[in-house]
Amino acid sequence: EVQLLDSGGGLVQPGGSLRLSCAASGFTFSIYAMSWVRQAPGKGLEWVSGISGRSDTTHYADSVKGRFTMSRDNPKNTLYLHMNSLRAEDTAVYYCAKPGVVGGTMYYFDSWGQGTLVTVSS
Amino acid sequence: DIQMTQSPSTLSASVGDRVTITCRASQSIGSWLAWYQQKPGKAPKLLIFAASSLESGVPSRFSGSGSGTEFTLTISSLQPDDFASYYCQQYNSYWTFGQGTKVEIK
Repeated sequence: EVQLLDSGGGLVQPGGSLRLSCAASGFTFSIYAMSWVRQAPGKGLEWVSGISGRSDTTHYADSVKGRFTMSRDNPKNTLYLHMNSLRAEDTAVYYCAKPGVVGGTMYYFDSWGQGTLVTVSS
Repeated sequence: DIQMTQSPSTLSASVGDRVTITCRASQSIGSWLAWYQQKPGKAPKLLIFAASSLESGVPSRFSGSGSGTEFTLTISSLQPDDFASYYCQQYNSYWTFGQGTKVEIK
């Protein structure tokens, strides 16, 4: 059974940093691209970033480009999101998400973590 | 960037009703469209991919149709467990979600 366990959220001041983690199990982690998707309180879903299986390609939404960095440790089956220069508008639940297919860049998400809440406030 | 527009934003319905949600893309996305269900405090759940393919384990009362720029999600007979929010998502070029449709009890 696929399991994704998100962690690392919390309260951080504007301008601060935070690192989120997603521990994966139940599938061959290294062959799947992975993504982070966020949801601000009471709002819809927003794709944040994606990374290829071998970490050779990363993509970011314009709203986080230059501030967030996505990485992965395949031997540890873990995904990371390094968030710097945090703003109030980054307040959201952050989910890691697994594609339903292997390879390529055209994929939907068939498994999601439970989410971790990031609150940016002074 | 491809924009996704869902309608309606809120839908009031009764158990047993046939419910249809529409999603429009700002440019053609072929059939690269998915639908998700989300309940409060929970992660989204995949219902439909490739516009009309039912995810394993999802009840057959859910169906999807469309291609190009206009898509629909239909629930043939609304059940108590179906009161939730629904999101469309394009994956033709990066990933964009619609703003969501909340299905409420009438």
